[in-house]
Amino acid sequence: AQSVSQHNHHVILSEAASLELGCNYSYGGTVNLFWYVQYPGQHLQLLLKYFSGDPLVKGIKGFEAEFIKSKFSFNLRKPSVQWSDTAEYFCALFLGNFNKFYFGSGTKLNVKP
Amino acid sequence: DGGITQSPKYLFRKEGQNVTLSCEQNLNHDAMYWYRQDPGQGLRLIYYSQIVNDFQKGDIAEGYSVSREKKESFPLTVTSAQKNPTAFYLCACRYGDTEAFFGQGTRLTVV
Repeated sequence: AQSVSQHNHHVILSEAASLELGCNYSYGGTVNLFWYVQYPGQHLQLLLKYFSGDPLVKGIKGFEAEFIKSKFSFNLRKPSVQWSDTAEYFCALFLGNFNKFYFGSGTKLNVKP
Repeated sequence: DGGITQSPKYLFRKEGQNVTLSCEQNLNHDAMYWYRQDPGQGLRLIYYSQIVNDFQKGDIAEGYSVSREKKESFPLTVTSAQKNPTAFYLCACRYGDTEAFFGQGTRLTVV
């Protein structure tokens, strides 16, 4: 069965620290991958997406993610986090054959000022 | 402004009652989705619809029902058969090879 795994459930960082959130998926074919962010009290917003081409994808607010096909991974990174990055982050996989999104369980990021 | 709107934001239901959550979009998107969000479990797919008058069960459809009579509307009914309905419900829509756009969500509490 298709699935998305986020291994870090809760991450606590100080401002200016570097961030890397793990995301692995299980599907052998062509994938579309996404990272969404949910700030407290707000709806899910798209951070970045990968469909094809350059495996290093840049998103909003200084976030980037790297698609590594051999590792079935799509980790999210940011060189220097800010207090305003405190939120919950979701990795998602879209499979066109099924027209469905599969979401990871989410990672709560808490950035201390 | 184009977007996707869920109402109400908060909903309280007595045990044994059915309740309907509204989802409306004016983005002209074909596909619409309902997800349930529980702490530590991410988003789980309840139902989805690719076109009007057609919908499919997701991973946790038991106790829920939907309709898709109009392109812009995809209401979700939480029936009395749903054993644990208290949750945060998210509606989303999508067109072609794009990301999903999410509504603000409805928090349902059974009292």
